[in-house]
Amino acid sequence: QVQLQESGPGLVKPSQTLSLTCTVSGGSITRGPDYWTWLRQPAGKGLEWIGRIIASGGTNYNPSLKSRVTISKDTSKNEFSLKLSSVTAADTAVYYCARRSGSTLGFESWGQGTLVTVSS
Amino acid sequence: DIVMTQSPLSLSVTPGEPASISCRSSQSLLRSNGAHSLGWYVQKPGQSPQLLIYLGSNRASGVPDRFSGSGSGTDFTLKISRVEAEDVGVYYCMQGLQSPLTFGQGTKVEIK
Repeated sequence: QVQLQESGPGLVKPSQTLSLTCTVSGGSITRGPDYWTWLRQPAGKGLEWIGRIIASGGTNYNPSLKSRVTISKDTSKNEFSLKLSSVTAADTAVYYCARRSGSTLGFESWGQGTLVTVSS
Repeated sequence: DIVMTQSPLSLSVTPGEPASISCRSSQSLLRSNGAHSLGWYVQKPGQSPQLLIYLGSNRASGVPDRFSGSGSGTDFTLKISRVEAEDVGVYYCMQGLQSPLTFGQGTKVEIK
């Protein structure tokens, strides 16, 4: 069973860059058809898809965030990462990493989520 | 972006009774292979979301058979045949046909 765990600072100052890492166990991020994804959820609100990376390194981002987002991977550590630049208070949210199955197209595995607060 | 609209936004159900949630997409979610790129998720209090239904009508591994998904084109339904106390949470539909993936607003299910 694939497990994911987010890590990174819980507090980021406005205008700085938010950086999070997702460590994957029980499966490899080089596994063919899966999509390694970042999502977020502001307190009391719904889910927003941020973007994803696939085994080949190809990425796809939400256009609403595209100018500020970078998702990358480190296959030697079986991790993938999120960088979101020029953050504001509106970026305060619980950030989730998840695995979207290439066969079912569903998010079958989720991290526990990590709260990132943007505040000075 | 494909807009996903759920109704109702909240639902109070007596244990043992059925429940139904509707999800409508702003464009068809039909894939070229005939499947619909529509998933249902539940987020129980304090937890990460979990997959219930994929490709419109397929139960995910370990999901009880009281959950079922149906629909086609732009209109989809999640049904719980007999609600149990553990079904409390917020239910989301999600389209995976087109980037960016988008979710409905969520339907909060509580027990009477």
